[in-house]
Amino acid sequence: DAMVIQNPRYQVTQFGKPVTLSCSQTLNHNVMYWYQQKSSQAPKLLFHYYDKDFNNEADTPDNFQSRRPNTSFCFLDIRSPGLGDAAMYLCATSIRLAGSYEQYFGPGTRLTVT
Amino acid sequence: QQPVQSPQAVILREGEDAVINCSSSKALYSVHWYRQKHGEAPVFLMILLKGGEQKGHEKISASFNEKKQQSSLYLTASQLSYSGTYFCGPEGAEYGNKLVFGAGTILRVKS
Repeated sequence: DAMVIQNPRYQVTQFGKPVTLSCSQTLNHNVMYWYQQKSSQAPKLLFHYYDKDFNNEADTPDNFQSRRPNTSFCFLDIRSPGLGDAAMYLCATSIRLAGSYEQYFGPGTRLTVT
Repeated sequence: QQPVQSPQAVILREGEDAVINCSSSKALYSVHWYRQKHGEAPVFLMILLKGGEQKGHEKISASFNEKKQQSSLYLTASQLSYSGTYFCGPEGAEYGNKLVFGAGTILRVKS
């Protein structure tokens, strides 16, 4: 059974046209993350939520926003996608136990910008 | 600053062994290891929490030397299913208490 679900799996958007990617989880984990992964690179953390607390990485462009309306759902909004935003976007969840945790990744959404 | 992984890529024949190293310039309190197959999401392999700790997952094991700020992943008697990109994710206060993935090591196992 899928534990971290991302929709859609593939998204094509036009340059400058806002797009929203969604993530849901059935694990009831308190931490959710959004990563951007470009070809042949490591996943790069954009932001994460620790419960309702939002943590933005210093180098995440303002063009990227996120919402977490409840424990199960998290959204990534790209307000004005540029060609450089084409990438795989990975959602992950974790729960902190005894000072450590493992991250469960969703299958990712591959974003194409035309 | 991203941790350094070596080698960048390695090709093995089935049954051969490999070691992937992860080195950090910052103090660590844990190291995560993930494997990602092409077109798929990263999958958690293991966490090492203490200096000198070793863990295992199937025929994959790892060590963590807290003092040297290094971790190594050992793949023994490699199988075709081991092919993929391996990422280390050190964790420490100087990394902002979050995972910062290394650049990855591409492992290809041939029959």
